Amino acid sequence: QSVLTQPPSVSGAPGQRVTISCTGSSSNIGAGYDVHWYQQLPGTAPKLLIYGNSNRPSGVPDRFSGSKSGTSASLAITGLQAEDEADYYCQSYDSSLAVFGTGTKVTVL
Amino acid sequence: EVQLVESGGGLVQPGRSLRLSCAASGFTFDDYAMHWVRQAPGKGLEWVSGISWNSGSIGYADSVKGRFTISRDNAKNSLYLQMNSLRAEDTALYYCAKDMGAEWLTTFDYWGQGTLVTVSS
Repeated sequence: QSVLTQPPSVSGAPGQRVTISCTGSSSNIGAGYDVHWYQQLPGTAPKLLIYGNSNRPSGVPDRFSGSKSGTSASLAITGLQAEDEADYYCQSYDSSLAVFGTGTKVTVL
Repeated sequence: EVQLVESGGGLVQPGRSLRLSCAASGFTFDDYAMHWVRQAPGKGLEWVSGISWNSGSIGYADSVKGRFTISRDNAKNSLYLQMNSLRAEDTALYYCAKDMGAEWLTTFDYWGQGTLVTVSS
């Protein structure tokens, strides 16, 4: 099972702000490994959303932001839009092996 | 434009073998680490294996260690995954993913569309 825990689902109305937590431990996030976030739209491959805890690749809207503190990380989506409805995964490393979070489904009400 | 195209998936019986390939283009392949990530039907993402730019560093998830072997051919811009002793729980869509760095402790910045592996009798 995954060593990074995320809430199974979050929801919000258009325009609202939602956050997704990613909880790890001292062997992964707490050990200093960076956290990255991916968005997976239905039926498509994952897409890098945030890298190095808080950096956005070119083309990712600034509505998406990431942060890390201690053994946890968070992804925030402000100004929620219908196109943001997707699955979101955090990713880090644990003892030098890559690990993914359990995944969170974001629903736009 | 970065492109990663996986191939080699299919239906295979338990205990048999399969070899996946990933053809890369649009970037200098031998500058970057590469990975295989899988996703079982209706489930989340699971990292399978990673390989550094020069094959000097390789890692596997515990669930596949001893059964799967990752390799790369930089002359052919290709990544491979040899899967032996396949089990029903290996059934998944297998993605090839490019690392952002030469070693493999960073992030996956580009993904292929995946190749489906079904293990069933």
